[in-house]
Amino acid sequence: EDQVTQSPEALRLQEGESSSLNCSYTVSGLRGLFWYRQDPGKGPEFLFTLYSAGEEKEKERLKATLTKKESFLHITAPKPEDSATYLCAVQARRGETSGSRLTFGEGTQLTVNP
Amino acid sequence: DARVTQTPRHKVTEMGQEVTMRCQPILGHNTVFWYRQTMMQGLELLAYFRNRAPLDDSGMPKDRFSAEMPDATLATLKIQPSEPRDSAVYFCASGLVPNQETQYFGPGTRLLVL
Repeated sequence: EDQVTQSPEALRLQEGESSSLNCSYTVSGLRGLFWYRQDPGKGPEFLFTLYSAGEEKEKERLKATLTKKESFLHITAPKPEDSATYLCAVQARRGETSGSRLTFGEGTQLTVNP
Repeated sequence: DARVTQTPRHKVTEMGQEVTMRCQPILGHNTVFWYRQTMMQGLELLAYFRNRAPLDDSGMPKDRFSAEMPDATLATLKIQPSEPRDSAVYFCASGLVPNQETQYFGPGTRLLVL
C-alpha cells in the first residue's frame, strides 16, 4: 500500500525566513510525485511533478527536489502570500485500472508572518 | 483559462436526503476523479473514470454512493441516503492520460448533513 507522510504538520515562518517541507513516501515503483498548494476554501492547485531521483523543479520562491525515499519543498525568502497548506502526493506504476490514482499526504500548513 | 467547475459549491441537507454533486471537467480531458476531504482523513480518492468508463471505485461506500459520467462534459456523484458522517468537501479533478498525469482540481462542494 502506498504511503505518504508529510512533516511538519504546521510551520510558522517570518517573512524572509527560508525553510523546507518534507514528504516521505513508500510506493512500489514511483511514476510521479506531485506537489500541490491548497488555500482555505479552495481546491488543490498544482505546483510540480517530479519523476526521478535527483530531479529538481523551481517556481518563483519554491523549489522541489526528489530522492528515492523523500521529496523536499524548499521555500526561499517566503512572503505572507505563500501561506497555504502544501500537499504531497505519489502515483505508482501500476496497470491500467489504477495507474492514475494519487495517494496524498496530510499536508503541511504553512503560515508566513509579515 | 480552462478550469474544472463544480456545483453546488455548498450544500446543507438533512440526514436521509439524496445529494447530487456535479462536475464539468476541463474540455478534452479524458480522466475524472472524485475525492473527499475531511480534517480526520485528508484527501481520499472515491472513484475515477477514464473515457467515461469507471476504472476504480474501491474508495466509495457502495451502498449509498454512486458515480456516473453521462457524457464527456459531466460527472456526477450521488449520495442516497445521506448521513452526517458524509459531511466533507468533495472535489472533482480531471486529467489527460497518457499525455500528462497531472490532475487539476475543481473548487469543491462543501457538504453538511444534519
